[in-house]
Amino acid sequence: GDSVTQMEGPVTLSEEAFLTINCTYTATGYPSLFWYVQYPGEGLQLLLKATKADDKGSNKGFEATYRKETTSFHLEKGSVQVSDSAVYFCALSDQAGNMLTFGGGTRLMVKP
Amino acid sequence: NAGVTQTPKFQVLKTGQSMTLQCAQDMNHEYMSWYRQDPGMGLRLIHYSVGAGITDQGEVPNGYNVSRSTTEDFPLRLLSAAPSQTSVYFCASSTGRNQPQHFGDGTRLSIL
Repeated sequence: GDSVTQMEGPVTLSEEAFLTINCTYTATGYPSLFWYVQYPGEGLQLLLKATKADDKGSNKGFEATYRKETTSFHLEKGSVQVSDSAVYFCALSDQAGNMLTFGGGTRLMVKP
Repeated sequence: NAGVTQTPKFQVLKTGQSMTLQCAQDMNHEYMSWYRQDPGMGLRLIHYSVGAGITDQGEVPNGYNVSRSTTEDFPLRLLSAAPSQTSVYFCASSTGRNQPQHFGDGTRLSIL
């Protein structure tokens, strides 16, 4: 079945540091890929998405590129802020589009 | 615009008790789903619905029932609670296949 693997956290960075959170996936066909963010005590919010190979999703300074050749969708940000502290989830949507499969989540802590 | 509303926010049950977690959305979304979130495991799909009167099983459906009598509501029923069902439960909705999901704030459920 489909699966998503994320780097384990927590990831601790200083403010203005460069962020990379790795995500790789296994799926049949051509899934859509997503990054969701969860702030403390809240539900998940969509951060960005990509629906086909070589697409780049971007939002709030975060970027991720759909790499079919390496089955990856790594999340990057050039300069993190304390307010970016949260748990980040990589996910894929199956080909029928009915179900999301999530990775285990990566906690990011940004220190001033 | 309330989005996706889940009630209750917290609940403690004894083993063997039954209860219903409520989920309502006011965005006229056809797709709705229930996930459980456990530490280090991301979110796992319990049940989903592609429209009123239509439901299907996700990855971890055992011990849970759902129904979808209206577009707005998608309740999740625990038939006989077990300690293994201690988790945080999230309801989500979307406009259609491969579209971003909108999540509620979650219900934290403890089974003693």
